[in-house]
Amino acid sequence: EAAVTQSPRNKVTVTGGNVTLSCRQTNSHNYMYWYRQDTGHGLRLIHYSYGAGNLQIGDVPDGYKATRTTQEDFFLLLELASPSQTSLYFCASSDRCSQNTLYFGAGTRLSVL
Amino acid sequence: GQQVKQSSPSLTVQEGGILILNCDYENDMFDYFAWYKKYPDNSPTLLISVRSNVDKREDGRFTVFLNKSGKHFSLHITASQPEDTAVYLCAAYQGTGSKLSFGKGAKLTVSP
Repeated sequence: EAAVTQSPRNKVTVTGGNVTLSCRQTNSHNYMYWYRQDTGHGLRLIHYSYGAGNLQIGDVPDGYKATRTTQEDFFLLLELASPSQTSLYFCASSDRCSQNTLYFGAGTRLSVL
Repeated sequence: GQQVKQSSPSLTVQEGGILILNCDYENDMFDYFAWYKKYPDNSPTLLISVRSNVDKREDGRFTVFLNKSGKHFSLHITASQPEDTAVYLCAAYQGTGSKLSFGKGAKLTVSP
C-alpha cells in the first residue's frame, strides 16, 4: 500500500497569510493530486501532476499554486490565504498502471482566520 | 459543474439491513467507476471498483452495479454492520485523462 505523508496535519493562518502544504509519497507513484474536502461538496480536485516538473490544473484551482519538485514531493501553495480556503486538504497518489486507484494521505486541516 | 452526482446525502439503516447508494454521471466517456469509504478524521480508501466492460462486480457484502445506458452506478451493501458507518464517495474516471471525479459523498449510519 502506498505511503502518503502530509505535513503539517493542522495549520492556522490569518487572511493574507502565506501557507505551504507538503505531501510526500514513497511508493514511486507517478501521479499526485491535491483535493479539498468541504461539507456539501465532497472531494474537489485543485491541482495534479503526472511527474516531477509537471503540473495540471484541476477543477477548483483559483487561489492555489502547486509545484512538483521531485517524483516524491508535491506542494500546495496559498500565497494570499482567504477564509474561503478553510478546509480539509488531502494529497493522493497513484501509479501509471492503476491510475484510478488513489492512495490518500491523512489530510491537513487548514483554518484561515 | 459536478460530473458525478450522489443523491441522498444522509442515510440510516438498521444493522443487518440492505442499503443501496446511488450515483449518476454526465460524461459518457467515463470507463471506470469506484466507491471510496471514509471514516471521520481518516482519509478515503478504495472500497470497490468496476470497469465499464462489466455491469456488476461483487466483493463480499459489497456489490457495484453499473448501468451505462442510464449513466448510473450503485453500491449495494448487504448485512449492514456498525463498522459500515462512514461517508461513501462515488467516483468516476475517463481513461484518457488522469482525473478521478468524486461525488459529494453520502453519510451512512448503521444503527444497532
